[in-house]
Amino acid sequence: AQKVTQAQTEISVVEKEDVTLDCVYETRDTTYYLFWYKQPPSGELVFLIRRNSFDEQNEISGRYSWNFQKSTSSFNFTITASQVVDSAVYFCALSEPYNQGGKLIFGQGTELSVKP
Amino acid sequence: GAVVSQHPSRVICKSGTSVKIECRSLDFQATTMFWYRQFPKQSLMLMATSNEGSKATYEQGVEKDKFLINHASLTLSTLTVTSAHPEDSSFYICSARNRIQSSYNEQFFGPGTRLTVL
Repeated sequence: AQKVTQAQTEISVVEKEDVTLDCVYETRDTTYYLFWYKQPPSGELVFLIRRNSFDEQNEISGRYSWNFQKSTSSFNFTITASQVVDSAVYFCALSEPYNQGGKLIFGQGTELSVKP
Repeated sequence: GAVVSQHPSRVICKSGTSVKIECRSLDFQATTMFWYRQFPKQSLMLMATSNEGSKATYEQGVEKDKFLINHASLTLSTLTVTSAHPEDSSFYICSARNRIQSSYNEQFFGPGTRLTVL
């Protein structure tokens, strides 16, 4: 069965600190996609990144970076120099292959609070 | 591009009434739409997968007679909560997959509908 685990339920940091959100997944598929979403208090999900299982390159986008390690089934997300506007719930998700339905399985979410 | 809207954004209804939530893909065609439910402080749980022109596929534990899904066109899916009760109060989110870019497996999410049943 597919599963996504975000062990950190809540994280609180002070502005300008770096913070890493952990994500560990389980799947038997060889082809799959991993995602990160941000959910601010308004509730709307904001797409951050998609990574397919064959692309293990790490990615950096501004203050955001992602570390995909297939060997440990992890897809961790780091925010550098955090800001108050980063406060939100962050979800990691795993997608089954499109030809199997392409359903998204979400982790439990990590609530990040960045204090000024 | 890839905008998904939901209507209404908030709804309050009395117990026993039915509520319809619309999910529209505004600038793309969606062969597949998904419906999720999110209770406070919890994750998104997939309720059903809706394919245009066919019956929805419900996840285990979701009552298909209570949560009626219709996907009548490539841009519109509706979720009707029938005979709503206070325990149905939740945040309902839809997503749509672009027919052309389906292979990317990306779902575009609507802004959500907050349902409160009194």
